[in-house]
Amino acid sequence: DAGVIQSPRHEVTEMGQEVTLRCKPISGHDYLFWYRQTMMRGLELLIYFNNNVPIDDSGMPEDRFSAKMPNASFSTLKIQPSEPRDSAVYFCASSLGRRINTEAFFGQGTRLTVV
Amino acid sequence: AQSVAQPEDQVNVAEGNPLTVKCTYSVSGNPYLFWYVQYPNRGLQFLLKYITGDNLVKGSYGFEAEFNKSQTSFHLKKPSALVSDSALYFCAVEWSSASKIIFGSGTRLSIRP
Repeated sequence: DAGVIQSPRHEVTEMGQEVTLRCKPISGHDYLFWYRQTMMRGLELLIYFNNNVPIDDSGMPEDRFSAKMPNASFSTLKIQPSEPRDSAVYFCASSLGRRINTEAFFGQGTRLTVV
Repeated sequence: AQSVAQPEDQVNVAEGNPLTVKCTYSVSGNPYLFWYVQYPNRGLQFLLKYITGDNLVKGSYGFEAEFNKSQTSFHLKKPSALVSDSALYFCAVEWSSASKIIFGSGTRLSIRP
């Protein structure tokens, strides 16, 4: 397996524009996580899914942020409208299942810059 | 509230010396504890985990960590540091009643030749 795949690797957009980040988890993994990393706040959990169903979105900062997982092999994180303070590295991670408490595998991240 | 703390922003060690990166946690129930490493412009890579059993856990690249329940700590250690160990290290915790993992603030490890 190629691991968790995120696209794009880099995104530069203007304030007010819609941004969509994409993630393909490792095949067979039933948990998917979205994290945001900044210098100020470190690594924050935004939302996670189990079997394509959102379980906890308490980390989503505002209504401008939304995430979907239409099937087991694809998830999106959307920001609409984007603001400069959304600039960060966004990571997607997947894991095999909490019942056996396996570790999460991370993608390379998407570096988002909102100007 | 559930939390994990890494009290040191940076740790500097000479190559060949032992290293320790500290982590403490606060969770209700049984904690599952993890260490990850992040190299520049890369995602996080799993190093090791403690779920149950022996308090001393061995992981990748010669790293190990010791779970101490009384001190609620899970410090990362390596007997002899390499320059290539220089990276950002994250401690993470998951508690048995939930399924999400939260991360510490990270510790930058710098190994000088």
